[in-house]
Amino acid sequence: AQSVTQPDIHITVSEGASLELRCNYSYGATPYLFWYVQSPGQGLQLLLKYFSGDTLVQGIKGFEAEFKRSQSSFNLRKPSVHWSDAAEYFCAVGLDNTDKLIFGTGTRLQVFP
Amino acid sequence: EPEVTQTPSHQVTQMGQEVILRCVPISNHLYFYWYRQILGQKVEFLVSFYNNEISEKSEIFDDQFSVERPDGSNFTLKIRSTKLEDSAMYFCASSGAATAKETQYFGPGTRLLVL
Repeated sequence: AQSVTQPDIHITVSEGASLELRCNYSYGATPYLFWYVQSPGQGLQLLLKYFSGDTLVQGIKGFEAEFKRSQSSFNLRKPSVHWSDAAEYFCAVGLDNTDKLIFGTGTRLQVFP
Repeated sequence: EPEVTQTPSHQVTQMGQEVILRCVPISNHLYFYWYRQILGQKVEFLVSFYNNEISEKSEIFDDQFSVERPDGSNFTLKIRSTKLEDSAMYFCASSGAATAKETQYFGPGTRLLVL
């Protein structure tokens, strides 16, 4: 079945540690890929997106993500996490034949000082 | 920076009551969306709206739901007779175009609780 999977429901890291949040998708064609972040009381904010070209994309707040076609993955990374990065992170895909974004279940990031 | 706003931030209602959730999209955007997130579940698409018409809707968006752009700035979602299972966070979004590549900008959400 077509889906977006975020295998990690909850991740805890220490401030300054590196971070990788996983996202896998199962669609026939390469979808358009997005990462959104939701801080408490805030809306969903776009971190970065991938359509084509360079498979390593840079986003806001020091985040990057790498598209790997062979693994159907679009993992989000940050080399050094800050306490303010504590939030919920959503991977989403867009497809040419629909208006909607299809979201994963989200990963809640907790950062310890 | 322009942003999508939503009111109210929280709403509590009794089962069977009508609720209207309001959104003010980004001013030059023409495409509008509603999504919802039931606690602990995925963010799910409800409906997209363009040129005063529904462009696409999901199976969730049944006859109990309706959307409207009553003036040049607001975009509303109405639930005619709320059910317990309508309790969720409702997100409005807008975009400048309707292609899959176009970024959808989301509001902060309205948390609806149906008792």
